[in-house]
Amino acid sequence: RKEVEQDPGPFNVPEGATVAFNCTYSNSASQSFFWYRQDCRKEPKLLMSVYSSGNEDGRFTAQLNRASQYISLLIRDSKLSDSATYLCVVSGGGGSYIPTFGRGTSLIVHP
Amino acid sequence: NAGVTQTPKFQVLKTGQSMTLQCAQDMNHNSMYWYRQDPGMGLRLIYYSASEGTTDKGEVPNGYNVSRLNKREFSLRLESAAPSQTSVYFCASSEVVRTEAFFGQGTRLTVV
Repeated sequence: RKEVEQDPGPFNVPEGATVAFNCTYSNSASQSFFWYRQDCRKEPKLLMSVYSSGNEDGRFTAQLNRASQYISLLIRDSKLSDSATYLCVVSGGGGSYIPTFGRGTSLIVHP
Repeated sequence: NAGVTQTPKFQVLKTGQSMTLQCAQDMNHNSMYWYRQDPGMGLRLIYYSASEGTTDKGEVPNGYNVSRLNKREFSLRLESAAPSQTSVYFCASSEVVRTEAFFGQGTRLTVV
């Protein structure tokens, strides 16, 4: 079982829609959680860190559920420019803090 | 404000050739990483260096070697390239291994 699992999608949504992605992780001792965005043929870039209390950055909301070992990303009022692949990243636990990436969820926002 | 710089950006090798991918960061980060990204596989860790002077294997180290030349530079070497090493390679760095990582622009390598 892969350490970090994501639904690859694609999620195909109209502009203005709200879309949510989930990511599950297998290491219950994991300590750090992030969402990255990757545009086609570009490098991944940090979108936001995910905190235990949940956090929001404009149209983006990230939440962590430690009991069920998943993190989520909610995008409200989707824009065409949100089209990208969203990568879930988990690190920490068991003495290893190496960032482990999920395979990514593809989002396509259409007019 | 360069961040993480990788060279080259593109490379075509013949099977059996060797090459070194260079990576340098100017953020005074302690930890550096090499990942490869293949369609449908996501990012897989090849090697990492938690701090200057240390290197460790990641998920897919076979066929690669690394050198942490100093705090800024972390190179990846393919001694005898194989078609299975055709991929996009990303170098990344972070302050320490548990904090967010910053990526270079990637090297697109094709082995024929």
